Parts: sequence; structure tokens; C-alpha cells
Amino acid sequence: EPEVTQTPSHQVTQMGQEVILRCVPISNHLYFYWYRQILGQKVEFLVSFYNNEISEKSEIFDDQFSVERPDGSNFTLKIRSTKLEDSAMYFCASRDHRHYNEQFFGPGTRLTVL
Amino acid sequence: GQQVMQIPQYQHVQEGEDFTTYCNSSTTLSNIQWYKQRPGGHPVFLIQLVKSGEVKKQKRLTFQFGEAKKNSSLHITATQTTDVGTYFCAGRAVNTGFQKLVFGTGTRLLVSP
Repeated sequence: EPEVTQTPSHQVTQMGQEVILRCVPISNHLYFYWYRQILGQKVEFLVSFYNNEISEKSEIFDDQFSVERPDGSNFTLKIRSTKLEDSAMYFCASRDHRHYNEQFFGPGTRLTVL
Repeated sequence: GQQVMQIPQYQHVQEGEDFTTYCNSSTTLSNIQWYKQRPGGHPVFLIQLVKSGEVKKQKRLTFQFGEAKKNSSLHITATQTTDVGTYFCAGRAVNTGFQKLVFGTGTRLLVSP
């Protein structure tokens, strides 16, 4: 069964450093998402991406964040200058246009900012 | 902004007992989804409800969407140890963007054999 994959599974970085989290959505999906989950808390929407542009973003997704689909398969989340409070699990999700609301989540990348 | 609360935060049951989690939104929802997240895992889509008062069943799971489309519930009959995890509701408010999904605070279920 096709699945969303994410790399790395765990990233440790120093405060102020840039990180890029990578996702490979399911191949025929057209809508892509990033969420984050601080340990023990709820899942929070960051951004949605469709047709090579951001379709919606939350208040969390400020100028320090950016997303890109550099080729036909990868979908990346960049954090330019990480802060301690960026430490969280970051989930990528995707869906196709037919299954209007069923989002398929990847296994996540645990980001630790020291 | 839109807030989605769930109660209880945590429930510990004996295998075979029933379990219910309640989801309440501060704003009217266009639809509600439910996800399950196993410990250390990622959210997995369970179901979506769209119509006011809608009830859907999946084996031992019963999902309900309130008449006012501001609340929802998930009921599990005769829990099993495989039901362990955190259950999240997630919804889109009627007056917000097309894509933004707001997750509830989650209910963590622990089932003892």
C-alpha cells in the first residue's frame, strides 16, 4: 500500500540553524500539508500546498517557515533560524482530489532544537 | 480563533468496557473527522461526518455529529487492547479556509487486559 515517507526520522540542531525536513507524498496525490505536534499535545496545522503554491497557512507558519516542491516527488519544509520552541514532531500529509478529506500522514520527523 | 476541545483528556478502561470521547468546537463546523494515533505513531484517518445529526458505524466504533454541527462523539463498544491510542477529532469551521483542519486536544485511551 502506498504511503507517505519522511526523512530524517529525527533531527537534532542548534538554535539559530536552518533545517530542512523532507517528505515524499503518495505519488498520485495533489494536496500536501505540514503539521506539527509538540510532545504530548494536539496536532497543529501549519500549511497546505496545491498546484505549486501555498493555499493556506496558520499563524504558526511565519516568515521563518517555507515550503517547496523542488521536483515531482519531494515536498520540503524549511525552518530558517530554529528556536527552542520549534522542537516538535513534524508530520507531512497528502491527499488526492477524489478522497476529498482523507489525509494520509507520514511517520513524522522529530525535531530537537538545542 | 477556532478551538476544538475534547473530554476526557485521558481514560483508562478494562478490556471489554465501553469508551466515549466527546469533541466540542467553539465554531460551527462544515465537517468533522476522527483520527487515531497509536503511541509513537502518526495520525490515521478513521472517518468523516458531514451532515447534521449524522451517525456512522465502523464495527465497534460509532461516530456521531451533533445537530448544530459543533460537537461530535466517538463511542467504542467492548474495548480491546488494540484500541489503545489517542483519538483526535478534527474539523473545518464553516467560515475559514478550505484546507485548514483544526485538531481537537485529543483523548488518550489506555486499555488493560
